[in-house]
Amino acid sequence: NAGVMQNPRHLVRRRGQEARLRCSPMKGHSHVYWYRQLPEEGLKFMVYLQKENIIDESGMPKERFSAEFPKEGPSILRIQQVVRGDSAAYFCASSPELRSLQPQHFGDGTRLSIL
Amino acid sequence: SQQGEEDPQALSIQEGENATMNCSYKTSINNLQWYRQNSGRGLVHLILIRSNEREKHSGRLRVTLDTSKKSSSLLITASRAADTASYFCATSVMDSSYKLIFGSGTRLLVRP
Repeated sequence: NAGVMQNPRHLVRRRGQEARLRCSPMKGHSHVYWYRQLPEEGLKFMVYLQKENIIDESGMPKERFSAEFPKEGPSILRIQQVVRGDSAAYFCASSPELRSLQPQHFGDGTRLSIL
Repeated sequence: SQQGEEDPQALSIQEGENATMNCSYKTSINNLQWYRQNSGRGLVHLILIRSNEREKHSGRLRVTLDTSKKSSSLLITASRAADTASYFCATSVMDSSYKLIFGSGTRLLVRP
């Protein structure tokens, strides 16, 4: 399966801990997007990255959240000192290039639960 | 506030019937896309319609776009139980075409 791979699928953390979510884009895709989904809601854009560059992080909280997409390896969404409100499903999507007619391909998400 | 709003929020139909979902948005768009999400899974891209297109078909799916009313509809014909899922519209806006803005979705239940 050459789709977008996210891991872990489920992650449980206690308040104050750190959460690391990983995303491997589809083969040949150099653009990665992270979205957050609360129960019964649509996805909300968080950040858009290309290799080694953050292009747009306007949807990501300024504190505790960071994202990277290194030259080698998966994209990482990192949440420090997690709080109950961080509980959500986090989805990663990728596309081969920046064109508005290219659909984004989504992974199955990481469901983050904060105790 | 949401760029896209789907209507209805929930829809229950019998297998074989048609399902129509509507989406309204607020600002000018590059394109509008429809996605399906099965419970506990990621989103699957269904169809993309450009801002200069009015109608598009893909198998049992038919999408219309009315830019004057800033609205779109997704029609699923001859529905099947396997069509049970949540359906989301997502818009790509002019000044940041990479950023998909999703509505809150329509939850479709197709009863066998």
